[in-house]
Amino acid sequence: AQSVTQPDIHITVSEGASLELRCNYSYGATPYLFWYVQSPGQGLQLLLKYFSGDTLVQGIKGFEAEFKRSQSSFNLRKPSVHWSDAAEYFCAVGFSFSGNTPLVFGKGTRLSVIA
Amino acid sequence: NAGVMQNPRHLVRRRGQEARLRCSPMKGHSHVYWYRQLPEEGLKFMVYLQKENIIDESGMPKERFSAEFPKEGPSILRIQQVVRGDSAAYFCASSPLSSGSLNEQFFGPGTRLTVL
Repeated sequence: AQSVTQPDIHITVSEGASLELRCNYSYGATPYLFWYVQSPGQGLQLLLKYFSGDTLVQGIKGFEAEFKRSQSSFNLRKPSVHWSDAAEYFCAVGFSFSGNTPLVFGKGTRLSVIA
Repeated sequence: NAGVMQNPRHLVRRRGQEARLRCSPMKGHSHVYWYRQLPEEGLKFMVYLQKENIIDESGMPKERFSAEFPKEGPSILRIQQVVRGDSAAYFCASSPLSSGSLNEQFFGPGTRLTVL
């Protein structure tokens, strides 16, 4: 069965430090890949997405992610974290090749930022 | 262009009552998805609808839950005879008609259901 794994439940980083959030998926082909961010009590905002092409994708708020087919991974990175980045981050995957497909979400990684 | 609208934002029900959650997709979007987020969990797919059709309900509990997306008006997720385990955040997402590539899903702010 298709699945998405975010190994880190909670990460704490210092403001200004770099960040990498991990995401792995289980699927026989290349899926569609997304990262969403959720602030407390809020909905989900799309940070970036990968469908095909260049495996390094740029998103909003200074985030980027790299698709690595050999590792079935789509890790999210940011070179310098800001206090406002504290939130819950979800990796999501679309496993169907039809135009519209439900997404499978990881359990999320909660990011805390300290001064 | 207004985003995906959900109402109510917060809903409190007693055990055994009915809960009705509404979702108005973005203008021009004809596909609606409902997801449920339990505490400390990610979102789990429930149902995918187009206007007047249920496309995929593989994530819906077999009993007490139903969804519709009528020709006119919002999509409705209905939970009958709610139990405490139904307490969760329910998110709606919408996307436009497929053009052959995967369309991004735009999420609403969610409805937080509390069952007393």
